[in-house]
Parts: sequence; C-alpha cells; structure tokens
Amino acid sequence: DAKTTQPPSMDCAEGRAANLPCNHSTISGNEYVYWYRQIHSQGPQYIIHGLKNNETNEMASLIITEDRKSSTLILPHATLRDTAVYYCIVRAGGTSYGKLTFGQGTILTVHP
Amino acid sequence: DTGVSQDPRHKITKRGQNVTFRCDPISEHNRLYWYRQTLGQGPEFLTYFQNEAQLEKSRLLSDRFSAERPKGSFSTLEIQRTEQGDSAMYLCASSFKEGPVRAASYEQYFGPGTRLTVT
Repeated sequence: DAKTTQPPSMDCAEGRAANLPCNHSTISGNEYVYWYRQIHSQGPQYIIHGLKNNETNEMASLIITEDRKSSTLILPHATLRDTAVYYCIVRAGGTSYGKLTFGQGTILTVHP
Repeated sequence: DTGVSQDPRHKITKRGQNVTFRCDPISEHNRLYWYRQTLGQGPEFLTYFQNEAQLEKSRLLSDRFSAERPKGSFSTLEIQRTEQGDSAMYLCASSFKEGPVRAASYEQYFGPGTRLTVT
C-alpha cells in the first residue's frame, strides 16, 4: 500500500472549515484513499473514502487531485467534538487487502 | 448498542501472566480484525479473520500471541507470558465483505479497545 504524508498537527477555529491535507504521491491506480479519525480514548472511526472523484457525506468532503497524488479532507463547520487524530490511509481494492495501515496522522485541535 | 464491543476495557497484569481479550463484532459482519496501538502511534495491524478463517497475520504477532474466531462470530486474542512491551491498546474492528471482488468500500468499524498494562 502507498505511503501517506500528513502534517503532525493543525488548529482550527470552531465554526470554520478544517482542511486536512494528505500527500500520497506513490498511489497506484487501484488504490483508494480512506480517512479515519480517532477521538481520545476511543477506537478509530471511518469518515469517508474515494478513488478518483470528489466525495461528500454527512461528516465531510474528500477532494482528490486529478493526478491523485494528494487529497484534502474538509470538515465544513468544525466543532469542538471534531478535535481528534485524523488518519489518511491508502489501500488497494480487492478482497485480499483487509488491513488498514495507519501512519501517525494529524492531530486536529478545534478551539473556541 | 449494536457496535463492536470489547471486553475487558482495561487489564492490568504482571509480567509473565497470560491474558485473554474478547471482541464481539457487529452481528452481520464476516470480517474481524485485531490491531495494537501504543502511545502516540497509529494502530498497527495484527491479524484478521474472514468468518472463522484467519487470513493474514502480521510479523508483529509473535508466537506468544494467538487469536481465534471459532464459530465466525466473536474472537479472542490471547497473549502468553506477557512482557512490559506488550502494554498497549488492543483494538478490534469488523467489516462486511459481500460478493465477488469490487470496490474496496468495506469500511471497518472499531470497538473501544482493551488497554493492557503489564507491570
């Protein structure tokens, strides 16, 4: 699976959009971009995933560049409860690729 | 609550003792995963099952570690002769695989974890 690079930490004001970048320059054609987050003392929580097109769900939006070498997770209106570690993971498709390979993620702190 | 549950939530044990953790996945999920997480690091994959078959094991899973999923439902992770380096959060996750190979959209749902402290 391709390696990802994320900034170690970011700050965001409550109510503003949080834009979390991720570089995955070695991504290959069948690899998806996943985002998970982990709130303190809890297990990771799935947020969103995508292959080529931008994706949006009730939690966030995922913007993937045309060359697929980087992506941005957008939390449109961050709240204090969004303070967490955010993990960008690239993983191949197919039934044999069950595991997720986590890096160190980005610690997002949302402040009042 | 129909999420992934883990028991116990916390375990303190003395070095050299054996410990066993249990994970109950979401009921219709046929895949179950174990991860380990140490302080300040992301979770590390240990092993996973599809139904009762153990399909992959990480090299992190030494011979002191064994995992089972006897009836394709709950799973146990046993650590024998615990060492201080085994102190970590042990996370379980489950997902549902349906049909033939298709888009990798089987998001994993994680439990709250079991925190192990070896003294």
